[in-house]
Amino acid sequence: NAGVTQTPKFQVLKTGQSMTLQCAQDMNHNSMYWYRQDPGMGLRLIYYSASEGTTDKGEVPNGYNVSRLNKREFSLRLESAAPSQTSVYFCASRWDAYNSPLHFGNGTRLTVT
Amino acid sequence: EDQVTQSPEALRLQEGESSSLNCSYTVSGLRGLFWYRQDPGKGPEFLFTLYSAGEEKEKERLKATLTKKESFLHITAPKPEDSATYLCAVYSGNTGKLIFGQGTTLQVKP
Repeated sequence: NAGVTQTPKFQVLKTGQSMTLQCAQDMNHNSMYWYRQDPGMGLRLIYYSASEGTTDKGEVPNGYNVSRLNKREFSLRLESAAPSQTSVYFCASRWDAYNSPLHFGNGTRLTVT
Repeated sequence: EDQVTQSPEALRLQEGESSSLNCSYTVSGLRGLFWYRQDPGKGPEFLFTLYSAGEEKEKERLKATLTKKESFLHITAPKPEDSATYLCAVYSGNTGKLIFGQGTTLQVKP
């Protein structure tokens, strides 16, 4: 039972480089989310997708783009990485019900030098 | 403004020493309060959902309670394997936002 799978687990980028973080879930959830977690800042929502074909900005969307490839997959792209984007990135999914819990992947630790 | 505050930031306990973690919230239209456990290098793992004041949920040595202003995560006779960061999150029905607290890092020494 894989749940939410994220790749890669670790990544080091130089300023200005681009990359895509991948996320897939096998729980048949409609909603998917991207968060970043920084010391002292907690979890902050970057983008989310309430259903296949829709995406919306969260609290900290600047510098990121997302693609909901299909119901299972939701990717996060950094077009031109900056040191301020050094963080741990978590993908999550949940049932549509507003009071259903999020299920998280194990994260991608990104360092931008 | 919607806000979630967890205290203490860090807690050290001896094995078997019971204690409680606090999650205080000011949210318009509470629709659910969630507790998660996060181990180092891992994603948050869902523990409980509480929906209304007076509700309680239990799982092994953990018991979560909810009032109109705060939630407590009670840990009874903790073991070293209970060491983790515990996160609280609140869903605001009025704004549609899920707001996370910054967590309490628990260390249980044998």
